[in-house]
Amino acid sequence: GAVVSQHPSWVICKSGTSVKIECRSLDFQATTMFWYRQFPKQSLMLMATSNEGSKATYEQGVEKDKFLINHASLTLSTLTVTSAHPEDSSFYICSARGSLAKNIQYFGAGTRLSVL
Amino acid sequence: QKEVEQNSGPLSVPEGAIASLNCTYSDRGSQSFFWYRQYSGKSPELIMSIYSNGDKEDGRFTAQLNKASQYVSLLIRDSQPSDSATYLCAVLPLSGGYNKLIFGAGTRLAVHP
Repeated sequence: GAVVSQHPSWVICKSGTSVKIECRSLDFQATTMFWYRQFPKQSLMLMATSNEGSKATYEQGVEKDKFLINHASLTLSTLTVTSAHPEDSSFYICSARGSLAKNIQYFGAGTRLSVL
Repeated sequence: QKEVEQNSGPLSVPEGAIASLNCTYSDRGSQSFFWYRQYSGKSPELIMSIYSNGDKEDGRFTAQLNKASQYVSLLIRDSQPSDSATYLCAVLPLSGGYNKLIFGAGTRLAVHP
């Protein structure tokens, strides 16, 4: 199956710092990438959708100035959590859809963010 | 409001039995349907995709789609303890250029030895 690589898998940072998470599609071109957040024992929550070369579309209630998304190429999208605070601690998961198969979204392994 | 509904469970089945997971969706124009498995603390993993009415089999998994009833299901034969996970039903609506998967809340499956 298609591979979506996400790094880092775990990050711990101090409150007020920024953290960048990378998501790469390794064997297909990802025309659309998605970023999700998941709190323990809760459902996936879509944060934003990005198409290559375009600005991301954020879901209602998601601060675009806090969660910066860049989708500069067909294989790479990044999520930057700016000025992170403890309430931003969560499991962030990217997903990609593209040229490989009919409407299928493949997920990265996720990044667990802990803000101290 | 486009919705996907699943019973949250837990669905408990003995090892070797058939587990039946069900999902209904509200957008009649939906064309693509997916089942993902998510282990605790991990990201979702695609199990099956189905696009046409009827059954689609892949190993121990069978997806069933009935668009008239707006119903999709996943059967797991010969359930194993390693199948214990949360199963997410996802639907891709067609209407209005809407291109985001709509996920159900997931059904937690527990397979006991």
